[in-house]
Amino acid sequence: EPEVTQTPSHQVTQMGQEVILRCVPISNHLYFYWYRQILGQKVEFLVSFYNNEISEKSEIFDDQFSVERPDGSNFTLKIRSTKLEDSAMYFCASSRDMMNTEAFFGQGTRLTVV
Amino acid sequence: GESVGLHLPTLSVQEGDNSIINCAYSNSASDYFIWYKQESGKGPQFIIDIRSNMDKRQGQRVTVLLNKTVKHLSLQIAATQPGDSAVYFCAENHPGNTGKLIFGQGTTLQVKP
Repeated sequence: EPEVTQTPSHQVTQMGQEVILRCVPISNHLYFYWYRQILGQKVEFLVSFYNNEISEKSEIFDDQFSVERPDGSNFTLKIRSTKLEDSAMYFCASSRDMMNTEAFFGQGTRLTVV
Repeated sequence: GESVGLHLPTLSVQEGDNSIINCAYSNSASDYFIWYKQESGKGPQFIIDIRSNMDKRQGQRVTVLLNKTVKHLSLQIAATQPGDSAVYFCAENHPGNTGKLIFGQGTTLQVKP
């Protein structure tokens, strides 16, 4: 069964450092997403991406965040200068269509900012 | 504002009993809803979905009910098993043509042997 894969599973970084979270979406999917989940809280939307551009972003997704699809298989989330409050699980997801089809989620990257 | 909420944070059931997890949504324009299961340390896993032109959909041991009049969604799990223990989230497809999902707070289902 195809799946979304994320690396690394756990990232520890110093406050102010840049991190890149990596994702390989399901191969025939065209829509890609990043979500985050602070420990014990609900999953929050960050950004959606289609046709090599951002289609929607939340207020959380400020200038510190960026996304990129550098090649035909990877989808990355970059946080330029991490803050303590960026500590969370980050989930990548992909879907075949943007409406009325389920999004498949990866296992997540646990980001710890110290 | 947009929100998808759950009525109870924790539900404890006996193995073999049926479980009902509830969710309320606020956006009457939403037309697609998904239930996800999240086990500890893992990503959300798709369980079942329903479109707004339906009021009931059944899967294997799971049923989702949609009441658009009161903007309420429920997930019923038949013959609950220990492996069903997890956090369950309802999610609403944001009616903005970007695929954005709005998640509820989550209900923790505990299955007692």
